[in-house]
Amino acid sequence: DTAVSQTPKYLVTQMGNDKSIKCEQNLGHDTMYWYKQDSKKFLKIMFSYNNKELIINETVPNRFSPKSPDKAHLNLHINSLELGDSAVYFCASSQDSSGGVLEQFFGPGTRLTVL
Amino acid sequence: GDSVTQMEGPVTLSEEAFLTINCTYTATGYPSLFWYVQYPGEGLQLLLKATKADDKGSNKGFEATYRKETTSFHLEKGSVQVSDSAVYFCALSGWAAGNKLTFGGGTRVLVKP
Repeated sequence: DTAVSQTPKYLVTQMGNDKSIKCEQNLGHDTMYWYKQDSKKFLKIMFSYNNKELIINETVPNRFSPKSPDKAHLNLHINSLELGDSAVYFCASSQDSSGGVLEQFFGPGTRLTVL
Repeated sequence: GDSVTQMEGPVTLSEEAFLTINCTYTATGYPSLFWYVQYPGEGLQLLLKATKADDKGSNKGFEATYRKETTSFHLEKGSVQVSDSAVYFCALSGWAAGNKLTFGGGTRVLVKP
């Protein structure tokens, strides 16, 4: 069984469109994250949620809006897509972010290409 | 803020060679340190971790020791295989920062038969 899954795996779209990437974890974890990996493989956190509550928002443009309908899901919606949004987006989860540092489990990534 | 610096690649090796990837960090407090590996076309997998000074993490023949005095967490493997070809990321995390991972730039390793 896949622990952290993302859909779609590939997403090709035009500038100005709105798109969503879905993430689900079946590990029973409390905390979920979104990371962005650029073309040079550099990884940077975007958001984290703990039990559906936003914990981290790393100066991401407000065109990006995470939504957590329940603690097993953290979706990423992107409005008015720009060329610079082209990247691989990784979802991750961990048991709990408070009081201890725990391993994060990553999804397979979604490669977004904006034309 | 927190940061991680690791050697730039690519690193090209022959099979059975010794691999070292240097990693140094700056952080407030006492972070935990990680090495993640990304195989071609895949997501990140945790390779090993260390949560306090002098801890040694090990897995699949890879080792790294948390050196607080030199703020380093170098990754080593004594005899690499072609299947070790991947991108390796050093990272740190602290609960005070909401457990977010701060990554180094990644080091691509290519092992040739």
